[in-house]
Order: sequence, then C-alpha cells, then structure tokens
Amino acid sequence: DAGVTQSPTHLIKTRGQHVTLRCSPISGHKSVSWYQQVLGQGPQFIFQYYEKEERGRGNFPDRFSARQFPNYSSELNVNALLLGDSALYLCASSLRGAATEAFFGQGTRLTVV
Amino acid sequence: DAKTTQPTSMDCAEGRAANLPCNHSTISGNEYVYWYRQIHSQGPQYIIHGLKNNETNEMASLIITEDRKSSTLILPHATLRDTAVYYCIVRETGTASKLTFGTGTRLQVTL
Repeated sequence: DAGVTQSPTHLIKTRGQHVTLRCSPISGHKSVSWYQQVLGQGPQFIFQYYEKEERGRGNFPDRFSARQFPNYSSELNVNALLLGDSALYLCASSLRGAATEAFFGQGTRLTVV
Repeated sequence: DAKTTQPTSMDCAEGRAANLPCNHSTISGNEYVYWYRQIHSQGPQYIIHGLKNNETNEMASLIITEDRKSSTLILPHATLRDTAVYYCIVRETGTASKLTFGTGTRLQVTL
C-alpha cells in the first residue's frame, strides 16, 4: 500500500506569490493534518481536517488555508508568501480524527526567495 | 497539552541499548506519552505510545514512571539507521490529532 504522498517534493517561489501544496492520505484514512517545519525546529501544527471539515487550527495567519476533498486528499494554500514561510511542509494522515497514530509523508520543501 | 523536556543530544554505540529520557512533570491523568522519530530529510515516524503501563513493540520499549512525570524510550540494540531526532509528545487521545513537537533529542549512533 502507498503511504502518504505529497507533491511537489521541492518548490521555489518568490515573495508575494501564492503556493498550493497537495497531499494524498493512506487509503482508508479520513483525517489529514498539516505541519510546518522550519530548519532546526520540530514540526508545528497548522491544520487538521476530518471528513472534509476543519477540526483544528494552529497559530498561523489567515494567509494559510486548507481544504479536504471528497476523496480525502487535501490542499494547503499559502498566499502572499514571505521569506519566513520557507520550510518543510508535512502532511500526516490518520484513520480517524482522534486516532492514536499519525503517518507522515516525506514533505514538500518550500523555498521563498 | 503538557510540556516535555528532553536532552538536546545523545550518543550511543551500535549494538548497545539507547535510553532516551523525557520529563513531563505537568502531565494530566488523561494524557498519553507518544514517541516519534525523524530521520534526516524524512517525515516523522510513529514509534510507540503509552498511558501508565510499560509498553513494548517491535521497534522499542517505553518505560513510564509510577508518578508519570517522566518516561524513557529504549531502543534495545541501536543500529546506525536509528540515528535520528526523537520527539517525546504528551497529548490526550479522543481529541484532534494535533501533535505538539518540541525540539527533540538528536541521537547519534556510532560504530
């Protein structure tokens, strides 16, 4: 079975642009969470979606948004990119909204120049 | 979620047991202890979790003190492939899947 897949793997954007990152969860998993990992730090929670509804939001500005589709895949959108948005963006899927174990993808490395 | 404290880094010789400590003195009764690890350039990987009893799986053992204020993750026979950052996380189950990562312990396994 395929694990959590994220695309693209690497991306370079210019300040002020917007970006869309994509995540396909493990088959059968209905919950998707997004995390931002800045170099040298642990991942920071951005959003959780379960059954296409937002179930949790971290301390991130409104420039960050996400959605989950009927097939449970998800998109993370970031508008008006700043240099500080450069990070590894991780997607995690789990069976349920309150599952004990989360499975992470390999991440999308975003560089803002 | 309760805060956790871990050493910044540790070394371990290959083949020896790696014991990674974690302090969580403010843990509440319904919070579990989770361990994840992140090998360089990969997403975090779930290792094990527990409430108050010691737990063991194919990857590791988790020892939780009786007062639940600290725990130790044990990798019984460390290999070079176990070199990674290990995160100790405390959270409730039955709530959203938010995981609050700290800075973790960087374990270096050497020959």
